[in-house]
Amino acid sequence: NAGVTQTPKFRVLKTGQSMTLLCAQDMNHEYMYWYRQDPGMGLRLIHYSVGEGTTAKGEVPDGYNVSRLKKQNFLLGLESAAPSQTSVYFCASSRQGGLWTQYFGPGTRLLVL
Amino acid sequence: GENVEQHPSTLSVQEGDSAVIKCTYSDSASNYFPWYKQELGKGPQLIIDIRSNVGEKKDQRIAVTLNKTAKHFSLHITETQPEDSAVYFCAASRDDKIIFGKGTRLHILP
Repeated sequence: NAGVTQTPKFRVLKTGQSMTLLCAQDMNHEYMYWYRQDPGMGLRLIHYSVGEGTTAKGEVPDGYNVSRLKKQNFLLGLESAAPSQTSVYFCASSRQGGLWTQYFGPGTRLLVL
Repeated sequence: GENVEQHPSTLSVQEGDSAVIKCTYSDSASNYFPWYKQELGKGPQLIIDIRSNVGEKKDQRIAVTLNKTAKHFSLHITETQPEDSAVYFCAASRDDKIIFGKGTRLHILP
């Protein structure tokens, strides 16, 4: 099992450009999450999904959109990137929500110039 | 909503000594408290967790304690080793999502 994988590993964007981060899991987990990690701020939840076809907002959803068309994939989109979105993005999945172990991907480092 | 405070933000201990990281939470309905370890360049990984019906849990050199009345929980690492150097996150949850503390960077000194 590959677990949770993220694509790409690193990306540089110019302000105003768009991009999509892909997360894939092969554990048949129902729940998937997108976090951002900034120095001194810990892990902050952007959006999450409780199952295929569902999405919900987390703590810091502004400027991001998500989609969960397939159970194994969770996409995070930036429509118009801003320097404030420079961060490390982590995807995670869990079997049945916040009371279960979350399995994290290796992260995507995004730099917005 | 839930708020999780974690202290200290940085901790340095001599190899072989013990390390303690403390967290407090605000939502009395939270009932699941995991701890994650993040090594450099990697995603966080669960190392131990505790549920609200238990006061203490131990796994080899790692232990976690929970005081529901005071709404705080702690991670204890004994006989620290170089491979314990990492960032540790506490978290609290009661439903679909978990709220993380800001993390503690643990340095093990030779």
